[in-house]
Formats: sequence, C-alpha cells, structure tokens
Amino acid sequence: DAGVIQSPRHEVTEMGQEVTLRCKPISGHDYLFWYRQTMMRGLELLIYFNNNVPIDDSGMPEDRFSAKMPNASFSTLKIQPSEPRDSAVYFCASSFPAGGPAQETQYFGPGTRLLVL
Amino acid sequence: DQQVKQNSPSLSVQEGRISILNCDYTNSMFDYFLWYKKYPAEGPTFLISISSIKDKNEDGRFTVFLNKSAKHLSLHIVPSQPGDSAVYFCAASEGGSNYKLTFGKGTLLTVNP
Repeated sequence: DAGVIQSPRHEVTEMGQEVTLRCKPISGHDYLFWYRQTMMRGLELLIYFNNNVPIDDSGMPEDRFSAKMPNASFSTLKIQPSEPRDSAVYFCASSFPAGGPAQETQYFGPGTRLLVL
Repeated sequence: DQQVKQNSPSLSVQEGRISILNCDYTNSMFDYFLWYKKYPAEGPTFLISISSIKDKNEDGRFTVFLNKSAKHLSLHIVPSQPGDSAVYFCAASEGGSNYKLTFGKGTLLTVNP
C-alpha cells in the first residue's frame, strides 16, 4: 500500500491567497484526520471525518479554514484567505473502520509544509 | 490547557543504554495511549500502544508502562540505537466512539554512537 498521500509537500504563498491542501487516505480506511503542527502548539487535531462525513471540527481555528471529503479516497483542507500565522506543517492521517484492527492507530502522511509570507 | 504533557523537550543517551521517555496526562477519561516516532520531513509513525486495562506492553526493544493512579506513562527503549534518534510523541484517546487523539509536544531523543 502506498500509505497516506499528501500534496503539495511544500507550499509558499502570499498573505491573502487561497491555499488548498490535498490528501488521499489509505484504501479501506474510513476515518480521516487533519492535523496542524507548530512549535508553539505542537500537533493539534483540526477536524476528522468518518465515511466522508465531518464528525468533529472543533479544532478548526476559524472560518477561514474549511475541509471537505467528497469521496472515500480524497479530502481537501482549504485556507481562504491565508495569513502568516497559518504557517505550519499540516498532516493528514487515516485509520481503520471502527471495530477493526488497531482502530485507534492512525497512519500519517508526510505532511505539507506551508509558509505564508 | 495541555491534557498530555511531555516535560522533557530533549533527551540524549549513549548507544546500548536505556532511553526513558515520560508522559503525563490530566484527563481521567483517557483510556488508550500511544507512542509515535517522527523523523524530520516525515509524518509520525505508530510505535506502540497500551490500553488502560494494562500496565505494561512490550514489543521488541520497546516497552510502555502505564500508571493510571499517577496519570503517567513512559516509553523504555532497550538497548538504544542511533537509528532511534527521532522525536517521540505521546498521544491519548478517550476510546469508545471518540477517535480523537490528543498529542503531547514531543521529546527529541538523540542516541549517540
């Protein structure tokens, strides 16, 4: 299996621009998670989906952030408009169906390093 | 309010010795705990986990100990190898239908040859 795939790996943009991060989960996993890692706050959960439905978005910092999962193999995290304080590494992770093996073990992608100037 | 705390930002040990990484938590609802390892420019990878019904889980050179009364867990690596040099994250979950993981800020382990 290819693992969780994220694109782009690096993104540099200017303040005010729209940024779209993409994620392809591991086939057969029906939970998908978006995390943000910063020096100050560490690794924090933004939102997670089950069977393409958002379950908990309490970690989304503000309305500028939105996430979608149109099908089981694709998700996006969008920031519009972007600000310098959004600079961070964004990780996507997926996990097995409930009741399956290691259901709480999440498999992470390599991350997208975002820099907003 | 940090619910999972890793109070040591870094740890340095000699190859062949034991590495002990510590983690404390405050949420008494947590009942499943995991350790992840992260190399630079990669995502975290799962290392080992433990359920609250156990106090120890072992996998090769890695052992996790859980002290529920103290709300403390630790990861022991014996013997430590240079390839173990990475950032180690402690994570916790309330389990049941709640799939959220709460992470500590990580500890950078350096194993010197």
